[in-house]
Amino acid sequence: QQQVKQSPQSLIVQKGGISIINCAYENTAFDYFPWYQQFPGKGPALLIAIRPDVSEKKEGRFTISFNKSAKQFSLHIMDSQPGDSATYFCAATNTGGGNKLTFGTGTQLKVEL
Amino acid sequence: DTAVSQTPKYLVTQMGNDKSIKCEQNLGHDTMYWYKQDSKKFLKIMFSYNNKELIINETVPNRFSPKSPDKAHLNLHINSLELGDSAVYFCASSQFQALSSGNTIYFGEGSWLTVV
Repeated sequence: QQQVKQSPQSLIVQKGGISIINCAYENTAFDYFPWYQQFPGKGPALLIAIRPDVSEKKEGRFTISFNKSAKQFSLHIMDSQPGDSATYFCAATNTGGGNKLTFGTGTQLKVEL
Repeated sequence: DTAVSQTPKYLVTQMGNDKSIKCEQNLGHDTMYWYKQDSKKFLKIMFSYNNKELIINETVPNRFSPKSPDKAHLNLHINSLELGDSAVYFCASSQFQALSSGNTIYFGEGSWLTVV
């Protein structure tokens, strides 16, 4: 059972545009939602994370929007740059129940010049 | 200075063989993990250790056996390799078990296993 659904599978954005990746979860016990960025040949690296007690978190060009009632959260990359081209994973976990990160299926982002 | 290092980075082996992947972290973290990334890039946890104690053991075939000689090392041994075991295996660590913005998971660069 896929507990975290991620879309789109791939995304092409022009340089300077906004990249938006969406995730939806089923388990209401999830209370920590990180986003990871993975470049080819590398391991995933934490980009930004949010807890469900806030609706938005911004770090530089990266923003997470969180909708607890809809059980959805999204990553917005403002002013997208070619260096942002990577695979992005949303994830979720219940920090009180084992801290097992459940990942989304990933979005391959390509930012074109 | 690599925080989470794993060896080998690439491994090609025949079906039925036994192989090991080693992992070391120099971050002083208490918790270590093994994740598997399949050909579709789907990431799934396999095991988690906290201070050498197994705390998460997903439904992984018992051909896979993790071993943690100390809290800085978590090795993965795989017996009787099958074609379906071909994947990228990531070792990772976090300071504590409870994940938060102040306690994140750091991943190694992965070990590409190909079973032929």
